Amino acid sequence: AQSVTQLGSHVSVSEGALVLLRCNYSSSVPPYLFWYVQYPNQGLQLLLKYTSAATLVKGINGFEAEFKKSETSFHLTKPSAHMSDAAEYFCAVSAVPNDYKLSFGAGTTVTVRA
Amino acid sequence: DGGITQSPKYLFRKEGQNVTLSCEQNLNHDAMYWYRQDPGQGLRLIYYSQIVNDFQKGDIAEGYSVSREKKESFPLTVTSAQKNPTAFYLCTSSVGNSGNTIYFGEGSWLTVV
Repeated sequence: AQSVTQLGSHVSVSEGALVLLRCNYSSSVPPYLFWYVQYPNQGLQLLLKYTSAATLVKGINGFEAEFKKSETSFHLTKPSAHMSDAAEYFCAVSAVPNDYKLSFGAGTTVTVRA
Repeated sequence: DGGITQSPKYLFRKEGQNVTLSCEQNLNHDAMYWYRQDPGQGLRLIYYSQIVNDFQKGDIAEGYSVSREKKESFPLTVTSAQKNPTAFYLCTSSVGNSGNTIYFGEGSWLTVV
């Protein structure tokens, strides 16, 4: 079985500041890890995914995440927040190699202050 | 307790058959979404509905159909035109107009035999 824990249900950052969203996973097998974003009135959108290749994964909109096996973490970062980054972010895990089901974290709402 | 109920959890379908996956929510949410998950892939949006009697195609709508006759129900039909229907299907809902709290169903595994 696999699960993820997102630390912090709400994060508030100033425009231009670092965005850091924390995700820790639990998995009995090597995991696939995902970050999703949901903007207001839109569906879930994939930001990036880790599938056992490079540990530092770059995604869309300037986001990146680093897989750290020793810390069982997959934290999401963006060096400089933009107002358009205000959204809800979800971390998810699935087991490899043929598991379909995703287990989602509870989500982190990001607000960006001008 | 409020939530989303998907059924069936496991479904086997013969090639050429249509099958309908149920998604019901008692959260009074306006918006409902259907996603498809394949191994090692991210979720892909099939259809979504922001209001009763209205729905829009997502990224991979071909071979699927939906209806939204009631606020609480958003069934997904996987038609015989869908070439690779074997996947995990996830239904979600959200308030839609304010806030972004999203609720997830438990998902349905569809296997074509």
